[in-house]
Amino acid sequence: AQKVTQAQTEISVVEKEDVTLDCVYETRDTTYYLFWYKQPPSGELVFLIRRNSFDEQNEISGRYSWNFQKSTSSFNFTITASQVVDSAVYFCALSEGVNSGYALNFGKGTSLLVTP
Amino acid sequence: DTGVSQDPRHKITKRGQNVTFRCDPISEHNRLYWYRQTLGQGPEFLTYFQNEAQLEKSRLLSDRFSAERPKGSFSTLEIQRTEQGDSAMYLCASSSGTGLETQYFGPGTRLLVL
Repeated sequence: AQKVTQAQTEISVVEKEDVTLDCVYETRDTTYYLFWYKQPPSGELVFLIRRNSFDEQNEISGRYSWNFQKSTSSFNFTITASQVVDSAVYFCALSEGVNSGYALNFGKGTSLLVTP
Repeated sequence: DTGVSQDPRHKITKRGQNVTFRCDPISEHNRLYWYRQTLGQGPEFLTYFQNEAQLEKSRLLSDRFSAERPKGSFSTLEIQRTEQGDSAMYLCASSSGTGLETQYFGPGTRLLVL
């Protein structure tokens, strides 16, 4: 069963629009970590954020912000005032620690296209 | 460059041939992971090492796949008797500490089996 669901396969926005990428996860563990990675056309996965299950405080980093809600098992990612350079595939991932061998379970990704 | 490096970046081979990929993790990272990513999908976990010990293997890692990390530094992933279904991007990542730390990824090796 898919542990991380990214329901949005592709999103297209015009530059300067705000965009939210959804991530819903499934786990029975009380201790887990959630991640977002960016994969530009070059292919390398770039780490964006890591959040542990005990810290529901939202985080903002420049134009990026993340909303973690345990009640809905969601960890959504918002880009404010999007730019063309934000075009990439974004992956949400879950790590359940020792129960999964510390492997990252990735969603299928959301492809974001930002046009001028 | 102090990031994770992988070699080669691209590999084209004929079905039935053996291929070997190399991954150099970030210096002093004790954990090293291999993932496979097919087109339109997220990366899927294959195996991981803590130092030189291979501690976990996914069911995706068939008998044709073998990975080593002989001195706890670089790692190799070998695929024997390649099949067309092995065509994918093979990603390596490393992390430090207990395992819940962030995994940093290399650029990947893109394999095409003809």
